[in-house]
Amino acid sequence: AQSVSQHNHHVILSEAASLELGCNYSYGGTVNLFWYVQYPGQHLQLLLKYFSGDPLVKGIKGFEAEFIKSKFSFNLRKPSVQWSDTAEYFCAVNIYGNNRLAFGKGNQVVVIP
Amino acid sequence: DGGITQSPKYLFRKEGQNVTLSCEQNLNHDAMYWYRQDPGQGLRLIYYSQIVNDFQKGDIAEGYSVSREKKESFPLTVTSAQKNPTAFYLCASSIPGEETQYFGPGTRLLVL
Repeated sequence: AQSVSQHNHHVILSEAASLELGCNYSYGGTVNLFWYVQYPGQHLQLLLKYFSGDPLVKGIKGFEAEFIKSKFSFNLRKPSVQWSDTAEYFCAVNIYGNNRLAFGKGNQVVVIP
Repeated sequence: DGGITQSPKYLFRKEGQNVTLSCEQNLNHDAMYWYRQDPGQGLRLIYYSQIVNDFQKGDIAEGYSVSREKKESFPLTVTSAQKNPTAFYLCASSIPGEETQYFGPGTRLLVL
Protein backbone atom coordinates (compact mmCIF):
# COMPACT_ATOMS: atom_id res chain seq x y z
CA ALA A 1 0.00 0.00 0.00
CA GLN A 2 1.11 3.51 -0.72
CA SER A 3 2.48 5.35 2.30
CA VAL A 4 3.58 8.88 3.06
CA SER A 5 6.19 9.64 5.71
CA GLN A 6 6.63 12.89 7.56
CA HIS A 7 9.28 13.01 10.27
CA ASN A 8 9.75 15.24 13.30
CA HIS A 9 6.09 15.54 14.16
CA HIS A 10 6.69 18.52 16.47
CA VAL A 11 8.83 21.42 15.29
CA ILE A 12 9.47 24.51 17.40
CA LEU A 13 11.39 27.44 16.00
CA SER A 14 11.80 31.18 16.39
CA GLU A 15 10.54 33.85 14.01
CA ALA A 16 12.85 34.48 11.05
CA ALA A 17 14.28 30.97 11.26
CA SER A 18 14.16 28.77 8.17
CA LEU A 19 11.77 25.84 8.01
CA GLU A 20 12.08 22.61 6.12
CA LEU A 21 9.61 19.75 6.48
CA GLY A 22 10.39 16.41 4.90
CA CYS A 23 7.93 14.25 2.96
CA ASN A 24 8.72 10.88 1.43
CA TYR A 25 6.34 8.52 -0.32
CA SER A 26 6.55 4.89 -1.29
CA TYR A 27 4.83 4.71 -4.67
CA GLY A 28 7.05 4.39 -7.74
CA GLY A 29 4.67 5.48 -10.49
CA THR A 30 3.41 8.89 -11.56
CA VAL A 31 2.13 10.88 -8.61
CA ASN A 32 0.54 14.20 -7.80
CA LEU A 33 1.87 15.81 -4.63
CA PHE A 34 0.31 18.24 -2.18
CA TRP A 35 1.02 20.15 0.98
CA TYR A 36 -1.99 21.17 3.05
CA VAL A 37 -1.98 23.43 6.10
CA GLN A 38 -4.35 23.57 9.05
CA TYR A 39 -4.11 26.81 11.02
CA PRO A 40 -5.57 26.73 14.54
CA GLY A 41 -9.35 26.69 14.32
CA GLN A 42 -9.42 26.86 10.54
CA HIS A 43 -10.19 24.59 7.58
CA LEU A 44 -7.54 22.38 6.08
CA GLN A 45 -6.41 24.35 3.05
CA LEU A 46 -4.12 23.80 0.10
CA LEU A 47 -0.65 25.30 0.46
CA LEU A 48 0.81 24.12 -2.85
CA LYS A 49 0.72 21.23 -5.29
CA TYR A 50 2.86 19.54 -7.93
CA PHE A 51 1.39 17.75 -10.93
CA SER A 52 4.10 18.10 -13.58
CA GLY A 53 6.68 20.50 -14.98
CA ASP A 54 9.09 22.54 -12.88
CA PRO A 55 9.87 20.44 -9.79
CA LEU A 56 10.23 23.57 -7.67
CA VAL A 57 6.73 24.69 -6.79
CA LYS A 58 5.80 27.95 -5.12
CA GLY A 59 2.72 28.25 -2.97
CA ILE A 60 0.96 30.76 -0.78
CA LYS A 61 2.57 32.73 2.03
CA GLY A 62 6.14 32.31 0.77
CA PHE A 63 6.22 28.51 0.93
CA GLU A 64 7.85 26.36 -1.72
CA ALA A 65 8.41 22.65 -2.22
CA GLU A 66 10.79 20.65 -4.36
CA PHE A 67 9.91 17.36 -5.99
CA ILE A 68 12.92 15.04 -6.24
CA LYS A 69 11.75 11.98 -8.11
CA SER A 70 14.89 9.93 -7.45
CA LYS A 71 14.44 10.41 -3.71
CA PHE A 72 10.64 10.02 -3.71
CA SER A 73 10.53 13.29 -1.80
CA PHE A 74 8.53 16.51 -1.77
CA ASN A 75 10.03 18.66 0.97
CA LEU A 76 8.42 21.91 2.05
CA ARG A 77 10.50 25.00 2.77
CA LYS A 78 10.15 28.57 3.91
CA PRO A 79 13.26 30.75 4.30
CA SER A 80 11.95 32.92 7.15
CA VAL A 81 8.94 31.93 9.22
CA GLN A 82 6.50 34.19 11.02
CA TRP A 83 4.43 33.61 14.13
CA SER A 84 1.39 33.25 11.86
CA ASP A 85 2.94 30.12 10.31
CA THR A 86 2.10 28.20 13.47
CA ALA A 87 -0.03 25.37 12.15
CA GLU A 88 -0.13 21.69 11.30
CA TYR A 89 1.24 20.77 7.89
CA PHE A 90 0.26 17.65 5.97
CA CYS A 91 1.87 16.12 2.93
CA ALA A 92 -0.44 14.15 0.62
CA VAL A 93 0.13 11.95 -2.40
CA ASN A 94 -2.24 10.95 -5.16
CA ILE A 95 -1.50 8.20 -7.63
CA TYR A 96 -2.11 9.54 -11.12
CA GLY A 97 -5.60 8.58 -12.30
CA ASN A 98 -6.81 7.67 -8.83
CA ASN A 99 -9.03 10.06 -6.86
CA ARG A 100 -7.68 9.01 -3.49
CA LEU A 101 -5.18 10.96 -1.42
CA ALA A 102 -2.82 9.35 1.06
CA PHE A 103 -1.79 11.69 3.86
CA GLY A 104 1.24 11.77 6.08
CA LYS A 105 0.84 12.04 9.84
CA GLY A 106 1.52 15.76 9.82
CA ASN A 107 4.04 18.19 11.31
CA GLN A 108 2.91 20.40 14.16
CA VAL A 109 4.91 23.61 13.74
CA VAL A 110 5.07 26.22 16.49
CA VAL A 111 6.77 29.55 15.76
CA ILE A 112 7.82 31.51 18.81
CA PRO A 113 7.67 35.30 18.47
CA ASP B 1 -20.39 31.87 -1.44
CA GLY B 2 -19.27 28.40 -2.54
CA GLY B 3 -17.88 25.85 -0.16
CA ILE B 4 -18.36 22.83 2.01
CA THR B 5 -20.41 22.90 5.18
CA GLN B 6 -20.35 20.34 7.95
CA SER B 7 -22.75 20.25 10.82
CA PRO B 8 -22.75 20.22 13.70
CA LYS B 9 -19.35 21.56 14.76
CA TYR B 10 -19.44 19.48 17.96
CA LEU B 11 -21.42 16.30 18.48
CA PHE B 12 -21.86 14.22 21.59
CA ARG B 13 -22.99 10.63 21.50
CA LYS B 14 -23.75 8.04 24.09
CA GLU B 15 -22.16 4.65 23.70
CA GLY B 16 -24.31 2.31 21.65
CA GLN B 17 -25.97 5.06 19.62
CA ASN B 18 -25.64 5.69 15.91
CA VAL B 19 -25.00 9.28 14.86
CA THR B 20 -25.03 10.96 11.45
CA LEU B 21 -22.65 13.72 10.42
CA SER B 22 -23.74 16.08 7.68
CA CYS B 23 -21.66 17.25 4.72
CA GLU B 24 -23.03 19.56 2.04
CA GLN B 25 -21.20 21.21 -0.85
CA ASN B 26 -22.30 23.77 -3.42
CA LEU B 27 -19.14 23.56 -5.53
CA ASN B 28 -20.80 21.24 -8.06
CA HIS B 29 -18.09 18.66 -7.39
CA ASP B 30 -18.78 15.05 -8.33
CA ALA B 31 -16.39 13.44 -5.84
CA MET B 32 -16.75 13.57 -2.06
CA TYR B 33 -14.73 12.07 0.77
CA TRP B 34 -14.82 11.43 4.50
CA TYR B 35 -11.68 11.40 6.60
CA ARG B 36 -10.98 10.85 10.23
CA GLN B 37 -8.25 12.91 11.93
CA ASP B 38 -6.67 11.78 15.18
CA PRO B 39 -3.73 13.52 16.91
CA GLY B 40 -0.46 12.36 15.41
CA GLN B 41 -2.22 10.10 12.91
CA GLY B 42 -2.84 12.43 9.99
CA LEU B 43 -5.99 11.97 7.91
CA ARG B 44 -7.30 8.51 7.20
CA LEU B 45 -9.88 7.85 4.49
CA ILE B 46 -13.18 6.34 5.63
CA TYR B 47 -15.34 6.37 2.50
CA TYR B 48 -15.40 8.18 -0.81
CA SER B 49 -17.86 8.68 -3.63
CA GLN B 50 -17.02 9.62 -7.19
CA ILE B 51 -20.60 9.95 -8.39
CA VAL B 52 -24.16 9.96 -7.09
CA ASN B 53 -25.45 6.56 -5.92
CA ASP B 54 -21.94 5.10 -5.82
CA PHE B 55 -19.35 4.97 -3.04
CA GLN B 56 -16.30 2.93 -2.04
CA LYS B 57 -14.69 1.95 1.22
CA GLY B 58 -11.53 3.71 2.23
CA ASP B 59 -8.86 2.44 4.59
CA ILE B 60 -10.91 2.46 7.81
CA ALA B 61 -14.54 1.89 6.78
CA GLU B 62 -15.45 -0.58 9.54
CA GLY B 63 -18.15 0.82 11.82
CA TYR B 64 -19.16 3.55 9.38
CA SER B 65 -21.74 3.86 6.61
CA VAL B 66 -22.50 6.48 3.97
CA SER B 67 -25.07 7.35 1.33
CA ARG B 68 -24.89 9.52 -1.78
CA GLU B 69 -28.41 10.21 -2.95
CA LYS B 70 -27.68 13.76 -4.08
CA LYS B 71 -24.62 15.32 -5.64
CA GLU B 72 -24.48 18.00 -2.94
CA SER B 73 -24.73 15.72 0.07
CA PHE B 74 -22.61 12.89 1.51
CA PRO B 75 -23.70 12.07 5.09
CA LEU B 76 -21.61 9.79 7.28
CA THR B 77 -23.16 7.55 9.92
CA VAL B 78 -20.98 6.44 12.80
CA THR B 79 -22.53 3.24 14.02
CA SER B 80 -22.35 1.55 17.39
CA ALA B 81 -19.97 -0.96 15.78
CA GLN B 82 -17.23 1.69 15.63
CA LYS B 83 -15.22 0.91 18.75
CA ASN B 84 -13.31 4.19 19.00
CA PRO B 85 -15.47 6.90 17.43
CA THR B 86 -14.16 9.93 19.29
CA ALA B 87 -12.30 11.92 16.63
CA PHE B 88 -12.37 14.91 14.30
CA TYR B 89 -14.19 14.13 11.05
CA LEU B 90 -13.42 16.00 7.84
CA CYS B 91 -15.42 16.03 4.63
CA ALA B 92 -13.86 16.98 1.30
CA SER B 93 -14.83 17.25 -2.34
CA SER B 94 -13.07 17.41 -5.68
CA ILE B 95 -13.62 17.44 -9.42
CA PRO B 96 -12.69 14.02 -10.85
CA GLY B 97 -9.59 14.48 -12.98
CA GLU B 98 -8.49 17.48 -10.94
CA GLU B 99 -7.15 15.84 -7.83
CA THR B 100 -7.09 18.81 -5.48
CA GLN B 101 -9.48 18.21 -2.61
CA TYR B 102 -11.28 21.00 -0.78
CA PHE B 103 -12.15 20.53 2.86
CA GLY B 104 -14.98 21.48 5.16
CA PRO B 105 -14.53 22.85 8.70
CA GLY B 106 -14.95 19.45 10.36
CA THR B 107 -17.12 17.91 13.07
CA ARG B 108 -15.66 16.88 16.40
CA LEU B 109 -17.42 13.80 17.75
CA LEU B 110 -17.18 12.92 21.40
CA VAL B 111 -18.57 9.69 22.81
CA LEU B 112 -19.71 9.97 26.41
